[in-house]
Amino acid sequence: ETGVTQTPRHLVMGMTNKKSLKCEQHLGHNAMYWYKQSAKKPLELMFVYSLEERVENNSVPSRFSPECPNSSHLFLHLHTLQPEDSALYLCASSQGTGRDEQFFGPGTRLTVL
Amino acid sequence: AQTVTQSQPEMSVQEAETVTLSCTYDTSENNYYLFWYKQPPSRQMILVIRQEAYKQQNATENRFSVNFQKAAKSFSLKISDSQLGDTAMYFCAFMRALGQNFVFGPGTRLSVLP
Repeated sequence: ETGVTQTPRHLVMGMTNKKSLKCEQHLGHNAMYWYKQSAKKPLELMFVYSLEERVENNSVPSRFSPECPNSSHLFLHLHTLQPEDSALYLCASSQGTGRDEQFFGPGTRLTVL
Repeated sequence: AQTVTQSQPEMSVQEAETVTLSCTYDTSENNYYLFWYKQPPSRQMILVIRQEAYKQQNATENRFSVNFQKAAKSFSLKISDSQLGDTAMYFCAFMRALGQNFVFGPGTRLSVLP
């Protein structure tokens, strides 16, 4: 596997479920990001991790809980989501937060029923 | 706060023709970075081209070039000799400085027609 991978690619969950999104980067990068991409809205940055430490949390509701166990893996734990949370969730990584280019994963298409 | 505007939600172009996607941004910074990202249907978002604000020369990458007008805060993307594989969402993005986060525009959906 190369680049940034995300699993699952599609997820349908009920409002009471608990699920997790996984992101893995094979690029030796030190920074990882979660973005939310909703229809007809700009990408919204959710979380930034640098060297496994959370450096930014953009006022994201607590029903989204990130976890970065090491510099290659990033999780987004989901619980008691709302239908408006349905979106494409993109993971990205970069060499460091001091670099300009971010490499994106394919995204997880989340549908909350 | 910085904002990025893409005024064309959708565009189409005939194969082999040229198309220009517009992007404007708002900032009080003097040095910053601008990007165009491409997101093909069901595929990963990839960087198309980047521009550093302190460089006057417009960036070029093969068939992709930008028209960077710093005073007007405009950063348009020109795609020459359009190909079917250019069909995608195109996002303009702004970065205030290295190490700062992206601010993305809402995107322009480009369809290249055979």
